[in-house]
Amino acid sequence: TQLLEQSPQFLSIQEGENLTVYCNSSSVFSSLQWYRQEPGEGPVLLVTVVTGGEVKKLKRLTFQFGDARKDSSLHITAAQPGDTGLYLCAGARSAGGTSYGKLTFGQGTILTVHP
Amino acid sequence: DVKVTQSSRYLVKRTGEKVFLECVQDMDHENMFWYRQDPGLGLRLIYFSYDVKMKEKGDIPEGYSVSREKKERFSLILESASTNQTSMYLCASSLEYLPGTEAFFGQGTRLTVV
Repeated sequence: TQLLEQSPQFLSIQEGENLTVYCNSSSVFSSLQWYRQEPGEGPVLLVTVVTGGEVKKLKRLTFQFGDARKDSSLHITAAQPGDTGLYLCAGARSAGGTSYGKLTFGQGTILTVHP
Repeated sequence: DVKVTQSSRYLVKRTGEKVFLECVQDMDHENMFWYRQDPGLGLRLIYFSYDVKMKEKGDIPEGYSVSREKKERFSLILESASTNQTSMYLCASSLEYLPGTEAFFGQGTRLTVV
């Protein structure tokens, strides 16, 4: 059972288009992170959101954490070929009274931006 | 910059072999992790360690073991490799095992078991 459902799994768009990637769960997370992974490399952290309803912007990327802290979205404005890669959401949950911070990853979204 | 280094980028092993994947981090991080990455499944946690000689099972520990004798080094061991362990293996480290802490990843080891 995948705790974090990420959609779409594949996205192929033209340069200049906008896109949104979704990360949904029935579970509540203490925080939600978005990572980007390029071929042959490990994932690299883009952003962490920790408060329900929080919105963070990173240049052309906008990240939102749902009010109930069960979902998140990544919106890219005017996509560029350099945005091509695998985008992963990862949620951290608290286990009982201990903040384990164990990360659960979504399946990933493979984004291809064509020039 | 934090650097997490995995000893091999590519490995090809035979079924039944004992396989060691090594990972070293240079930032004195307390926590280290081993994930496997498969298409359509994202990253799944195999084992993690929050201190030297301490380890906890992740979501898919079967067929794997780990060793952490020194703080900077975390090894993943496949006791008897099987074809269903063909995958990309990623090591990561973090300063604190708390929600929101950034995980730093190595470049990955693509293991093929034949």
